Amino acid sequence: KQEVTQIPAALSVPEGENLVLNCSFTDSAIYNLQWFRQDPGKGLTSLLLIQSSQREQTSGRLNASLDKSSGRSTLYIAASQPGDSATYLCAVLPNPKAAGNKLTFGGGTRVLVKP
Amino acid sequence: GAGVSQSPSNKVTEKGKDVELRCDPISGHTALYWYRQRLGQGLEFLIYFQGNSAPDKSGLPSDRFSAERTGESVSTLTIQRTQQEDSAVYLCASSLVTGNTEAFFGQGTRLTVV
Repeated sequence: KQEVTQIPAALSVPEGENLVLNCSFTDSAIYNLQWFRQDPGKGLTSLLLIQSSQREQTSGRLNASLDKSSGRSTLYIAASQPGDSATYLCAVLPNPKAAGNKLTFGGGTRVLVKP
Repeated sequence: GAGVSQSPSNKVTEKGKDVELRCDPISGHTALYWYRQRLGQGLEFLIYFQGNSAPDKSGLPSDRFSAERTGESVSTLTIQRTQQEDSAVYLCASSLVTGNTEAFFGQGTRLTVV
């Protein structure tokens, strides 16, 4: 059974500092890994998708790396801003065509960027 | 539409009543997921639909919960005889199953059982 863990559960940094968010998963047989952002009382916004064959993916100030063999992904957010304050979730997908497929989520990291 | 649409956005119901939640996926997305998120908690998988395959209902918490999807279009999640512990945000997501399988979520339906 796939288990996804995100440590730390909460993180507080001053504005301008780089953020490093960690995600680990127990079963390396994944199809892809996706990072999401969730603001309080809102749905999930997709940030980055990394296919299992990729090592990293970048979008603006965001960079996500994937080491499938060790079961780890890291989301880097450069030069953090107060608007980056949110909960960040990672999720892994085993096989989108399989009957037992589902996105398995970590518990999230709640980030606060202080002005 | 451009994104996943869920309705209603908010629902307050009396204990014991039935409720129906609706999800309109992105056009062309054959995969559709329902998740539940209780206040301050993580996402709890409920059910997964993929094309015409039998849905994965392994996450449904009790037989009061059921979901349907007609083809690759709208899905409805029905909760019968609602209980206070059913109060949560119900989130729907859709994706392709080949190529770019990025999942997109709706804004959720906040259900409050009083």
